[in-house]
Amino acid sequence: AQSVAQPEDQVNVAEGNPLTVKCTYSVSGNPYLFWYVQYPNRGLQFLLKYITGDNLVKGSYGFEAEFNKSQTSFHLKKPSALVSDSALYFCAVRDVRGYQKVTFGTGTKLQVIP
Amino acid sequence: DGGITQSPKYLFRKEGQNVTLSCEQNLNHDAMYWYRQDPGQGLRLIYYSQIVNDFQKGDIAEGYSVSREKKESFPLTVTSAQKNPTAFYLCASSNRATAHEQYFGPGTRLTVT
Repeated sequence: AQSVAQPEDQVNVAEGNPLTVKCTYSVSGNPYLFWYVQYPNRGLQFLLKYITGDNLVKGSYGFEAEFNKSQTSFHLKKPSALVSDSALYFCAVRDVRGYQKVTFGTGTKLQVIP
Repeated sequence: DGGITQSPKYLFRKEGQNVTLSCEQNLNHDAMYWYRQDPGQGLRLIYYSQIVNDFQKGDIAEGYSVSREKKESFPLTVTSAQKNPTAFYLCASSNRATAHEQYFGPGTRLTVT
């Protein structure tokens, strides 16, 4: 069985400071990893994904994530937070062995304080 | 939200009534999914379909039914057997070519009283 853990329900950061949203995963084979963002009463929007190759993945809106296989982590980062980054962030994992089911974490609410 | 439409955005029903939520995509994706979102629980998979005329139960399929008669459409019926149907429902689609990153619709908020 595959699983995702987002250990923080909420992360608060001051505008202009760097932000990190944590994610750890468990999967039998090799993982495909994803980050999505959700604004209130909206669907999820894709931010970035790790499939293979460089462990540092760059995505939309200045976000990036680092894949760490030994720690089974895929933390989301941004060098300088904006108030408009305030939203709900979801990490997700899928096994690369062709089975399309994706497992989502419970989400982390990011609050950027002006 | 581009490429996937869900209707209606808000839906109200009386307890004991079946209700069908619409999901249409024009992305030519093979796979489609239905998720339920409740506060603090993330997204839980209800049903998914990899190809037309085929679908599989997800983690919380009881009280729900689906059909996949066309590639573009994957309607979800919430039956009276679903014990706690009030939730935010999200439809998504994906394709093998993009490692099945999922494209989501805007969601339908169902309230049953």
